[in-house]
Amino acid sequence: DAMVIQNPRYQVTQFGKPVTLSCSQTLNHNVMYWYQQKSSQAPKLLFHYYDKDFNNEADTPDNFQSRRPNTSFCFLDIRSPGLGDAAMYLCATSRAGYNYGYTFGSGTRLTVV
Amino acid sequence: EDKVVQSPLSLVVHEGDTVTLNCSYEVTNFRSLLWYKQEKKAPTFLFMLTSSGIEKKSGRLSSILDKKELFSILNITATQTGDSAVYLCAVVKAAGNKLTFGGGTRVLVKP
Repeated sequence: DAMVIQNPRYQVTQFGKPVTLSCSQTLNHNVMYWYQQKSSQAPKLLFHYYDKDFNNEADTPDNFQSRRPNTSFCFLDIRSPGLGDAAMYLCATSRAGYNYGYTFGSGTRLTVV
Repeated sequence: EDKVVQSPLSLVVHEGDTVTLNCSYEVTNFRSLLWYKQEKKAPTFLFMLTSSGIEKKSGRLSSILDKKELFSILNITATQTGDSAVYLCAVVKAAGNKLTFGGGTRVLVKP
């Protein structure tokens, strides 16, 4: 089945140790998003790729970077995770256009120790 | 600044009750409004609404959009314990392809 897959489901990292989360999709959607969702809060958009074009949200910290080497894969790099970066990270995809919805991956729950 | 506001923040009902969730928005260049259900995992898509006054229905869930008054409602009839979740409303703007989420409504259905 076509889907959005995030790995790993759970990630524990040490304070300050770089970590990479991955997202892959078989939907051939041209837009991919990374959202951060902290406990009891709504998802907050960090950035998105429209094809190869990277779009950063104004309030996304520099600590967060992203790569999209091809249509199917997108990575979220956290260069120096702090305790405040512990959250669920959600990848989503869409096909740009008026009537297309969004598909979310199952998320990666990041713990910083 | 774009705003999506959901109410109530939370509610507790008993099985069989009907619930109505509200989502109001203030965004420029509105394109569509989406409803999601989120349990302890990623959000699950429920509805996409683009036109005013056309009800979308899926089983016991239904939703409608009012583009004049800038709100949407999500109804759940004959609630079941499996309906317990956070329900998220999100708006898509015509420019760009980003979702702006409301804060969510937490629904607890008691047996």
